[in-house]
Amino acid sequence: GAGVSQSPSNKVTEKGKDVELRCDPISGHTALYWYRQRLGQGLEFLIYFQGNSAPDKSGLPSDRFSAERTGESVSTLTIQRTQQEDSAVYLCASSSTMGGYTFGSGTRLTVV
Amino acid sequence: AQSVAQPEDQVNVAEGNPLTVKCTYSVSGNPYLFWYVQYPNRGLQFLLKYITGDNLVKGSYGFEAEFNKSQTSFHLKKPSALVSDSALYFCAVRDARSGNTGKLIFGQGTTLQVKP
Repeated sequence: GAGVSQSPSNKVTEKGKDVELRCDPISGHTALYWYRQRLGQGLEFLIYFQGNSAPDKSGLPSDRFSAERTGESVSTLTIQRTQQEDSAVYLCASSSTMGGYTFGSGTRLTVV
Repeated sequence: AQSVAQPEDQVNVAEGNPLTVKCTYSVSGNPYLFWYVQYPNRGLQFLLKYITGDNLVKGSYGFEAEFNKSQTSFHLKKPSALVSDSALYFCAVRDARSGNTGKLIFGQGTTLQVKP
């Protein structure tokens, strides 16, 4: 597609439920990144994919967080047993070998 | 380890005046440096990057940034600010040794407020 697409754009979930966030990168972009942005704060790195492998998942905050990617296509970020501190905007970006990131508009997750 | 510091939470400037948003970085190898802008309720948009070459980099919307290796800085500048420049600005760095697709580390962001 023309840009990075994330869905849903907004998600409200009850504490303890699982959620799945989706990212469709730009076609042909080999690298895909997930970041978290809490209200009024900067971007916190979560995980990075090169193809469908994850060379760096050092930013995943706990074992409740996991992510996978199918080939050089869609990625899903799953948060199990959501907690209120998981409330944030989850941003996805993709990158070609030229190195610039293109970000999606994010998924705003609210845990109530 | 890589890190980025944006020492100002907010910068206020009058329309028509020059603006500077500060950024300093720490990286083991040579840095790749980026600036992004985030408008309310929208994703981040790329402004400019420094990879190699001329220390003064020109980007979108009239913005430019100067790479200063000795001061490990990459300040964002614009000669004449517009009210529409008001947004949240992020500086980011990647260690060049990680190649073109390694992760970017972002600063905490600086809110730019341009008043008419």
